[in-house]
Amino acid sequence: NAGVTQTPKFRVLKTGQSMTLLCAQDMNHEYMYWYRQDPGMGLRLIHYSVGEGTTAKGEVPDGYNVSRLKKQNFLLGLESAAPSQTSVYFCASSQILPGGPEAFFGQGTRLTVV
Amino acid sequence: GEDVEQSLFLSVREGDSSVINCTYTDSSSTYLYWYKQEPGAGLQLLTYIFSNMDMKQDQRLTVLLNKKDKHLSLRIADTQTGDSAIYFCAERGATNKLIFGTGTLLAVQP
Repeated sequence: NAGVTQTPKFRVLKTGQSMTLLCAQDMNHEYMYWYRQDPGMGLRLIHYSVGEGTTAKGEVPDGYNVSRLKKQNFLLGLESAAPSQTSVYFCASSQILPGGPEAFFGQGTRLTVV
Repeated sequence: GEDVEQSLFLSVREGDSSVINCTYTDSSSTYLYWYKQEPGAGLQLLTYIFSNMDMKQDQRLTVLLNKKDKHLSLRIADTQTGDSAIYFCAERGATNKLIFGTGTLLAVQP
């Protein structure tokens, strides 16, 4: 069972470079989320999507863009990376079920911007 | 807006009970969750509670919800060293955003 898969797992970028983080889920979930995790700040929501073709801003959207062209994929883009974007990024997906919704998380992408 | 707060650290002895607290601000929260994160890993759902419930028990875990005070707690009975981790409280509001707290690091002393 793959669940939620994030690629890459690690990446080092130079300031100003761009990159795309890929999140893929095989559970047919409607909702997908991108978070960043920083020490002492918990998980902060960057962007989320409530269905294919939709995206919405979370708590800390600046400097990031997202796309949900296919239901199973949610891409997070950094157009011009900054050191402040050094973080661990987590993707999650969820579905509202009769028994209660549960969010499944990927293993994280550790990004360092130098 | 939505905000979820937790204390940052809790230390207990093995065999004692642990109580991790969380407060939230969104009165339209539908579900509240507790997630566990072990070092270097993603988050795993421990348990959740629907907003019209005030208690849920699942083996060693007890979740208490005080909706009037917007207070959620997680009690772990007979805490073991394997319970050492960061515990996150989260809420799902009417907009379906999933908002997390800062996380509480639970350290279990042998």
